[in-house]
Amino acid sequence: DQQVKQNSPSLSVQEGRISILNCDYTNSMFDYFLWYKKYPAEGPTFLISISSIKDKNEDGRFTVFLNKSAKHLSLHIVPSQPGDSAVYFCAANSGGSNYKLTFGKGTLLTVNP
Amino acid sequence: SQTIHQWPATLVQPVGSPLSLECTVEGTSNPNLYWYRQAAGRGLQLLFYSVGIGQISSEVPQNLSASRPQDRQFILSSKKLLLSDSGFYLCAWRKLNTEAFFGQGTRLTVV
Repeated sequence: DQQVKQNSPSLSVQEGRISILNCDYTNSMFDYFLWYKKYPAEGPTFLISISSIKDKNEDGRFTVFLNKSAKHLSLHIVPSQPGDSAVYFCAANSGGSNYKLTFGKGTLLTVNP
Repeated sequence: SQTIHQWPATLVQPVGSPLSLECTVEGTSNPNLYWYRQAAGRGLQLLFYSVGIGQISSEVPQNLSASRPQDRQFILSSKKLLLSDSGFYLCAWRKLNTEAFFGQGTRLTVV
C-alpha cells in the first residue's frame, strides 16, 4: 500500500520555464511534507518542507503548495535550470511519535537547455 | 555542524557472503537513524529505523538486520547475501519532525 504517490515517473521542461512536480498522499495523519532532490549515485538532499498548518512555503526558486482537502502537494521550480535535472522525491511524516518518513517513487526531471 | 558518513561507496559481493555497512553521524546526539534502500522503480524503501542505542525497528521482512551499538553508529548486516539484496543503500539521520539528512549511499552488487 503506497501512501505517498508520485504518478509521473518523468518530466521534461525547457530551461527558464516552470517545472511542476506533483505528489498525492492517502494517509490523513500526515502533517509534515518534504521534497528531496537526488543525483545518481548520491544521497538525496533536502530541498523544502511544509507543515500541514500552511498551504504554501517558498524558498528562492522553489515553492511547495499543499492542498489538504485533496491530499495533494506540488513543487514549483521557477525558473528551471539545467542543474535542476535530477530525481525529485516527495516524503511525508505523521506527527507525534512517528519517526518514519515515507517516500514516493520519485520523478525524474530533465531541464533542457 | 552535523555530518553523516557512510561506507563503502561501492561493494561487490558474492551470493552467500556476509555484509556489513556502517554509518556514523557527527555533531548531534541521540538522532533517529534510518536505513533505506533504493531499488529500480521502487523509490526509497525504509528498511530499519532506530530511536536509541539497541532499539531497532524493522519495516519489511528480509535477509538483512541492523544494529546500533553506539548513539551515532548504525550498522546494516547480512549473514548470507542474496541476489535480490543488490541495490543502493542509504543511511539517514533526523531529529523528530524535521528533515532527514542522508549519507552518500552504498551501491551493493551481489553476484
